[in-house]
Amino acid sequence: GESVGLHLPTLSVQEGDNSIINCAYSNSASDYFIWYKQESGKGPQFIIDIRSNMDKRQGQRVTVLLNKTVKHLSLQIAATQPGDSAVYFCAENMRNGNQFYFGTGTSLTVIP
Amino acid sequence: DADVTQTPRNRITKTGKRIMLECSQTKGHDRMYWYRQDPGLGLRLIYYSFDVKDINKGEISDGYSVSRQAQAKFSLSLESAIPNQTALYFCATSKQGNTEAFFGQGTRLTVV
Repeated sequence: GESVGLHLPTLSVQEGDNSIINCAYSNSASDYFIWYKQESGKGPQFIIDIRSNMDKRQGQRVTVLLNKTVKHLSLQIAATQPGDSAVYFCAENMRNGNQFYFGTGTSLTVIP
Repeated sequence: DADVTQTPRNRITKTGKRIMLECSQTKGHDRMYWYRQDPGLGLRLIYYSFDVKDINKGEISDGYSVSRQAQAKFSLSLESAIPNQTALYFCATSKQGNTEAFFGQGTRLTVV
């Protein structure tokens, strides 16, 4: 999962398996939590968000779970495909403004 | 054409030089951001602007300045570049009340 440090966490999964990417956050004042995907050579792209008063939100092949008790966020990708290989960032959107603060990222590699 | 365009895409500059990175957007968004990405550290917010007359410091503003010349343009300046400012820089935009930020392709800056 994501953490502050010098090394990017990595996750390798077999094509077709489900992936779970984790993120720990520290700021209880965040209003929204957001997942971004960054492919090589590109800027981050929005995947899905979840409001702080929700526990779960589903999108197309992705599910985000929020556990406020332990300040933990996860992104689940169903039936992972080679195109899912990327770095995934969680981000917080602060209640008192519209700043986005990002985690350090997790590198997902899908093995064909 | 890209919605968020950064120029230049790559730049090598010498220590002590002044350099400007430019960002323009066609999304009509009021909010613009500059981030810096370093390996293992994710994206860190340098400056952000909620409209033309609004400029705010982010997490790591020291050594940087910005100018919001118009709603569509937000430039980042390094007044006197130093080697530890070598990084990948991203501009992003968002709309008030919206959690989705749109990123440019990034500018790779190397200070030698």
